[in-house]
Amino acid sequence: ILNVEQSPQSLHVQEGDSTNFTCSFPSSNFYALHWYRWETAKSPEALFVMTLNGDEKKKGRISATLNTKEGYSYLYIKGSQPEDSATYLCARGGADGLTFGKGTHLIIQP
Amino acid sequence: KAGVTQTPRYLIKTRGQQVTLSCSPISGHRSVSWYQQTPGQGLQFLFEYFSETQRNKGNFPGRFSGRQFSNSRSEMNVSTLELGDSALYLCASSVGTSGPSGEQYFGPGTRLTVT
Repeated sequence: ILNVEQSPQSLHVQEGDSTNFTCSFPSSNFYALHWYRWETAKSPEALFVMTLNGDEKKKGRISATLNTKEGYSYLYIKGSQPEDSATYLCARGGADGLTFGKGTHLIIQP
Repeated sequence: KAGVTQTPRYLIKTRGQQVTLSCSPISGHRSVSWYQQTPGQGLQFLFEYFSETQRNKGNFPGRFSGRQFSNSRSEMNVSTLELGDSALYLCASSVGTSGPSGEQYFGPGTRLTVT
């Protein structure tokens, strides 16, 4: 993997359902993996920064895992709510700075 | 604590002109990074400044430059504007001592339109 890739590109989820999406990244020269939430008309907001293989972080209904050996991270949202609608960005931190994926656009349908 | 501020918020320029954007980081943050977002693209890293020195640079032409002042405020300059420079420009600040592992705090962005 040469770039940071996120899948799916967009996702429609029913309110109350749980969901997850993926970030794949080059595992060489890896420093950290960042997740950000970007709501319309707002600034990107940091969710998690993970550095160690096997790291798991949780904030309320949102959690993330990290596998640095195979170069992927999962973001999970449990019991989706309308306020979870946003674009979720991941970024790989390396010696050359942060490289962002194009994001997963999540829409929660009532 | 005040957040990251960017000025101006909106800007319209003509091809060939130059533009300067400003970013004031959170108090105590010594690192400022700049990103460009265009439709269909993710955030593209422009450069990072830490303690008045450019610490990292993305893959952008030399028309894009920046600097950081002793109070950590940063400016980004784009010379000889092209239509393709129309974008949202975001800056982000961090404490800076953790390098690429540091959580970034984003400003609201400057929307640049080149006509």
